[in-house]
Amino acid sequence: GQNIDQPTEMTATEGAIVQINCTYQTSGFNGLFWYQQHAGEAPTFLSYNVLDGLEEKGRFSSFLSRSKGYSYLLLKELQMKDSASYLCAVRDLGGYQKVTFGTGTKLQVIP
Amino acid sequence: GAVVSQHPSRVICKSGTSVKIECRSLDFQATTMFWYRQFPKQSLMLMATSNEGSKATYEQGVEKDKFLINHASLTLSTLTVTSAHPEDSSFYICSARVMGETQYFGPGTRLLVL
Repeated sequence: GQNIDQPTEMTATEGAIVQINCTYQTSGFNGLFWYQQHAGEAPTFLSYNVLDGLEEKGRFSSFLSRSKGYSYLLLKELQMKDSASYLCAVRDLGGYQKVTFGTGTKLQVIP
Repeated sequence: GAVVSQHPSRVICKSGTSVKIECRSLDFQATTMFWYRQFPKQSLMLMATSNEGSKATYEQGVEKDKFLINHASLTLSTLTVTSAHPEDSSFYICSARVMGETQYFGPGTRLLVL
């Protein structure tokens, strides 16, 4: 099984940097995803990490440490439109490689 | 990225009726599709994994006779909520996996059972 933890809520200021952490425990690890979800909408893909290290994509970066069961999503130059829930999800090694989601972190960006 | 569609986007039905939700991968073939349910202010909960040409694999606590899944082709999976009740009202989201890569989500179907 999998156990995924992330903070419930965070608040950050427009233009600033925010880091959203995710820790996980899994019986078999095959990659970690970060998704963004605006209220009432389906999640949209942000990043995928399967090896240790930092993956950078524009204003968003994602880091993974497999030995620590830890990941973070870094958002730079925050914009008001970044206010959303950010979901950490872990894929397992099973035949279907199912993805299990954390409860999500609701980020509020304030002026 | 890959495109996944869902139909309908919103449905309101009477208690006791059945509702079918379609999930299509528009520009790729998806051997595996996943069905999730999301209640307000909660995260996505995996209901079942759907593989083309075989029976779906349901998560613990999900009634397979109530939530019928059919994955008849590499681009289409359907979820039928049978004898729907108000507690089945939720946001149902499908996703499709590109081989070895990430999952792409459909836009979701909001079901309201009266």
